[in-house]
Amino acid sequence: DAGVTQSPTHLIKTRGQHVTLRCSPISGHKSVSWYQQVLGQGPQFIFQYYEKEERGRGNFPDRFSARQFPNYSSELNVNALLLGDSALYLCASSRTWTINQPQHFGDGTRLSIL
Amino acid sequence: AQSVTQPDIHITVSEGASLELRCNYSYGATPYLFWYVQSPGQGLQLLLKYFSGDTLVQGIKGFEAEFKRSQSSFTLRKPSVHWSDAAEYFCAVGKNTGNQFYFGTGTSLTVIP
Repeated sequence: DAGVTQSPTHLIKTRGQHVTLRCSPISGHKSVSWYQQVLGQGPQFIFQYYEKEERGRGNFPDRFSARQFPNYSSELNVNALLLGDSALYLCASSRTWTINQPQHFGDGTRLSIL
Repeated sequence: AQSVTQPDIHITVSEGASLELRCNYSYGATPYLFWYVQSPGQGLQLLLKYFSGDTLVQGIKGFEAEFKRSQSSFTLRKPSVHWSDAAEYFCAVGKNTGNQFYFGTGTSLTVIP
């Protein structure tokens, strides 16, 4: 089975633009989580979705939004990009939304803001 | 508030030597603890997890970890390091009310011949 796939792998944007990142979970996984990993830091939780509903939200501004589709894929949207949004954005999927289900991470989207 | 501390930013070990990576957490309830490894340019791979029971847990790639509640610690160990173990290692604590993780800042491991 394919793992978690994220697209694009790399992206360059300028300040003020918006961006959409995409994630396809492992087949059979209904939960998707998004993380931001700034260079030299650990991942920071942004959102978790399960069955198209938001199950958790980290401490990120409203410029960040996400949604999950009926096929359980997900999009992360960021508006009004700032230089500080430059990071590796990781998607993780799991079978359910509970903590005892292991999360499987994709390789991430590297977003650079100029 | 939950927090995870990895006191060692960078560690260098010789191939074949033993490895110990430290992790301390702050959490008000029963912790769900994890160790992940991240190779350059890649996502995170789960090495092992602790939910309850035996405080010594076994993981993949020959790794094990020891949970000590009295010290709020979750220490990752490997008896003999291989060059392919060079990577970034992250400790994480999970909230039991949802699949939300809090990661430490990571420990970078270099393996020398």
